[in-house]
Amino acid sequence: QQQVKQSPQSLIVQKGGISIINCAYENTAFDYFPWYQQFPGKGPALLIAIRPDVSEKKEGRFTISFNKSAKQFSLHIMDSQPGDSATYFCAASMPRNQFYFGTGTSLTVIP
Amino acid sequence: DGGITQSPKYLFRKEGQNVTLSCEQNLNHDAMYWYRQDPGQGLRLIYYSQIVNDFQKGDIAEGYSVSREKKESFPLTVTSAQKNPTAFYLCASSIGLIQETQYFGPGTRLLVL
Repeated sequence: QQQVKQSPQSLIVQKGGISIINCAYENTAFDYFPWYQQFPGKGPALLIAIRPDVSEKKEGRFTISFNKSAKQFSLHIMDSQPGDSATYFCAASMPRNQFYFGTGTSLTVIP
Repeated sequence: DGGITQSPKYLFRKEGQNVTLSCEQNLNHDAMYWYRQDPGQGLRLIYYSQIVNDFQKGDIAEGYSVSREKKESFPLTVTSAQKNPTAFYLCASSIGLIQETQYFGPGTRLLVL
């Protein structure tokens, strides 16, 4: 079964708007939560990651919000730009174990 | 210029044929991975390797085989037993298995003739 559930499947946002992608997990042993960005025909690249000892991490326009009690985490992209149009994957892992990826969100930012 | 290279970019497989996808890294990473990407299904782990001459099955290893004879190389063979091989295959590497950042190659798209 899907270890990490991601929504929405696709998202369309106006330039300058906020893009929000959500992920949920069940396994409380997960303790590392990265987000990857993938452009068409390319491999994914790490965007930002968080561990459950903090509730929020910000890097530039990208912020991860983490809710340990709800077992949910989300990616917020502030001031979304057309260049942000890509597929975003959340993932989760536990110590010395594989990554489990979400199903991906296709983001389109309209100029 | 360090990174991960995958070849070929596109690969065509005939019925009953085995094909091998190449993955090379010059990042001096110990761990390497193969993922399969299908539309709407995210990335699914096929095989991974922590060190040379050692590898483990992932969630969807059936119909695939790997080898790790050198630290920098981790080729994936898609065998004729894999009945639905059409997908985008991604190779990745990381310093180790302890939740290190995984760096991905550009991928190989496999198509069945």
